[in-house]
Amino acid sequence: AQTVTQSQPEMSVQEAETVTLSCTYDTSESDYYLFWYKQPPSRQMILVIRQEAYKQQNATENRFSVNFQKAAKSFSLKISDSQLGDAAMYFCAYRSRSGSARQLTFGSGTQLTVLP
Amino acid sequence: KAGVTQTPRYLIKTRGQQVTLSCSPISGHRSVSWYQQTPGQGLQFLFEYFSETQRNKGNFPGRFSGRQFSNSRSEMNVSTLELGDSALYLCASRPDRIPYEQYFGPGTRLTVT
Repeated sequence: AQTVTQSQPEMSVQEAETVTLSCTYDTSESDYYLFWYKQPPSRQMILVIRQEAYKQQNATENRFSVNFQKAAKSFSLKISDSQLGDAAMYFCAYRSRSGSARQLTFGSGTQLTVLP
Repeated sequence: KAGVTQTPRYLIKTRGQQVTLSCSPISGHRSVSWYQQTPGQGLQFLFEYFSETQRNKGNFPGRFSGRQFSNSRSEMNVSTLELGDSALYLCASRPDRIPYEQYFGPGTRLTVT
């Protein structure tokens, strides 16, 4: 079974600064997706960024980028120019690309605080 | 397009009762998944439905069940509620053939007293 680990329960960053959230995962599969989801106080889960395991290039979405290290099974999220609206719980998630078990497996989350 | 909707948004039930939660996916989405979120266990997969058929089930007791209707709306039912069932229940839908696009609803907050 796949597992996802987020070792930082809480992080804080100064507005306009850069922060990196860590995530490691364990799987025996070679083909999968990795995601970062954001859950603000409204509890609405919002997809931030997606990475496909077969792609070597790191995904980027505006101020959000990832550092995907497949051999190390590491998938960190970098938020540049942090804004107050980035404050939320961030979840790292894994999804198999093949096979019957295609649900999302989530990490325990990192609560990000943005300081003005 | 309207997003994923869940009803009710908040619910208070007594231990031993049963509850039914509803999820309406985005129009055209035939896949619906349910997740339970608690402070202790985090986010855990409950089950997935596609075209009225359960395709996958998480590691939850038989008290948790679900179904999907021909219009893709889904319901989940929890019988004989326990205090530990208090949680945020999230529903997500996704389009066919795009497995990485999953859209979540706002959730139903269930409190069991």
